[in-house]
Amino acid sequence: ETGVTQTPRHLVMGMTNKKSLKCEQHLGHNAMYWYKQSAKKPLELMFVYSLEERVENNSVPSRFSPECPNSSHLFLHLHTLQPEDSALYLCASSQGGGAYEQYFGPGTRLTVT
Amino acid sequence: AQKVTQAQTEISVVEKEDVTLDCVYETRDTTYYLFWYKQPPSGELVFLIRRNSFDEQNEISGRYSWNFQKSTSSFNFTITASQVVDSAVYFCALSEALYGGATNKLIFGTGTLLAVQP
Repeated sequence: ETGVTQTPRHLVMGMTNKKSLKCEQHLGHNAMYWYKQSAKKPLELMFVYSLEERVENNSVPSRFSPECPNSSHLFLHLHTLQPEDSALYLCASSQGGGAYEQYFGPGTRLTVT
Repeated sequence: AQKVTQAQTEISVVEKEDVTLDCVYETRDTTYYLFWYKQPPSGELVFLIRRNSFDEQNEISGRYSWNFQKSTSSFNFTITASQVVDSAVYFCALSEALYGGATNKLIFGTGTLLAVQP
């Protein structure tokens, strides 16, 4: 089993739906991250949690709502999304601190119709 | 502001050729960390290497090697004798400390798509 898992791997939702993305890390890390990867754009950091406390919210619209109930789990709750929110959403974890690399999950490919 | 530039959008080589992926970064920090990640078609970013700003020694790992030069703010990645399995998007990233250093954020370049033809 890989160190960081994400479910679902693919998601199609309408603009009025509510759904959640789940991420779980099995590496004993204390920081977790959500990134958005759109076509032709650099990876964009959305949220950072350190020891279950949100430390970064990178000007993300409120239709994206993160939740980190413990250091192993991270959720991204989605509601009333727009078609431009269609992207690959990647979760990552790290030991914390600038010296440590981040380990990524396989991502959730989200399509908003 | 921190920035990472990967000027090569796409590179195509034939198997067994050597290929170098360029990365140029900008930062005002005196201590920083640089990374390379590989993203195969499956989508998952795979960590390849981390380098801190105080260590300018080149590193070699099998067919992979990295050339870090602070004087030119570059951290280039060379694949020797490329193989079809090397086909992927490669990202260079710069680390920026957050929350008093308790965690970090990665600033990614736009990536270089490497296609290795058989």
